[in-house]
Amino acid sequence: NAGVMQNPRHLVRRRGQEARLRCSPMKGHSHVYWYRQLPEEGLKFMVYLQKENIIDESGMPKERFSAEFPKEGPSILRIQQVVRGDSAAYFCASSPLRDSKGKETQYFGPGTRLLVL
Amino acid sequence: KQEVTQIPAALSVPEGENLVLNCSFTDSAIYNLQWFRQDPGKGLTSLLLIQSSQREQTSGRLNASLDKSSGRSTLYIAASQPGDSATYLCAVRNPSTGANSKLTFGKGITLSVRP
Repeated sequence: NAGVMQNPRHLVRRRGQEARLRCSPMKGHSHVYWYRQLPEEGLKFMVYLQKENIIDESGMPKERFSAEFPKEGPSILRIQQVVRGDSAAYFCASSPLRDSKGKETQYFGPGTRLLVL
Repeated sequence: KQEVTQIPAALSVPEGENLVLNCSFTDSAIYNLQWFRQDPGKGLTSLLLIQSSQREQTSGRLNASLDKSSGRSTLYIAASQPGDSATYLCAVRNPSTGANSKLTFGKGITLSVRP
């Protein structure tokens, strides 16, 4: 069973361009979370999605950021008109409704490192 | 609003030493607490998860304890090895949005174990 997959692993964009980050959850997982890790900062929650539904987007910036988790395919975090302050590591995590140990562990992907020039 | 603090930000110890990493949180009404390890440029690996009803969890040389009432958790690493060098993150989940809710992270403690 492959782990959480994220691509690309590294992404370079110029200011004003769009960035699309993809996350494929573990097989059988229907919950996806996106976190952002700014330099010298801890991970901050951005958004929590289930298939075709946004459950909690309290950590998403009000503008330029959007996320989706379609019925088919990976979850996408989209950043429009990127600025230098968007440079960070973006991590995706997934979880089943309840894992085999009933512990609701979130499993993290390797992250996408976004650099905005 | 839940806040998670990990102090110090960095720690350097000689190989073989037993050590304790601390984590504190402001809202004691947590669902569970999880310790992660992060290697440079890599993702997060879950080490231990403690449910709110539990006091501790053990895995190999690692032992995590939880004192909900005081808002504290410790990660104990026995007989540290250079391979333990990494950043250790503490994260809590509050029950307000259910079992699959978001995690609130501390900034982490970067551990260096000297050979």
